[in-house]
Amino acid sequence: AQRVTQPEKLLSVFKGAPVELKCNYSYSGSPELFWYVQYSRQRLQLLLRHISRESIKGFTADLNKGETSFHLKKPFAQEEDSAMYYCALSARTGNQFYFGTGTSLTVIP
Amino acid sequence: EPEVTQTPSHQVTQMGQEVILRCVPISNHLYFYWYRQILGQKVEFLVSFYNNEISEKSEIFDDQFSVERPDGSNFTLKIRSTKLEDSAMYFCASREDRGRGYTFGSGTRLTVV
Repeated sequence: AQRVTQPEKLLSVFKGAPVELKCNYSYSGSPELFWYVQYSRQRLQLLLRHISRESIKGFTADLNKGETSFHLKKPFAQEEDSAMYYCALSARTGNQFYFGTGTSLTVIP
Repeated sequence: EPEVTQTPSHQVTQMGQEVILRCVPISNHLYFYWYRQILGQKVEFLVSFYNNEISEKSEIFDDQFSVERPDGSNFTLKIRSTKLEDSAMYFCASREDRGRGYTFGSGTRLTVV
């Protein structure tokens, strides 16, 4: 069965420090992985998808098929990065997304 | 940038009442979805809709739920007889094709009292 695990419910880092939000998945086929961000009281916004291999707002994520991980990283955290971050998986041939439980990131000034 | 629009932003209803949550997906998108998020829990899939029919639904999406695309622009979620446990944030999403991420609406907070 498909599953997305975000082991950290809460994560606090100081401004300027590196940040890594962990995501592990289980899926038997070839998944598509995404990161979504939800700022306070706002909608879920697509942050990254592994296919595009882009960097958005300084965040990057690399799909590691050996470790079945898709960790989100940023070298220098900013206060405006404080938000809820969700890792999500979609089957390439499928339709629905499977979300992790989310990690609440707080960047301390 | 195009947005998915949801109305109302907050709805309070009495248990047993019917509610209709409305969504206007992005105009050139073909796939439409409803998700919900109970407070403090993860975002859960309810249903997907393509080509004017349901393509997938979760076990949450029982006979009390229905979806409709009545006029080519709106995409609605109806809950026939609301229960307390239906209280949640309901998100509509759409995407152009399967290779792309979703665009989510800002959500409707449903409170059943």
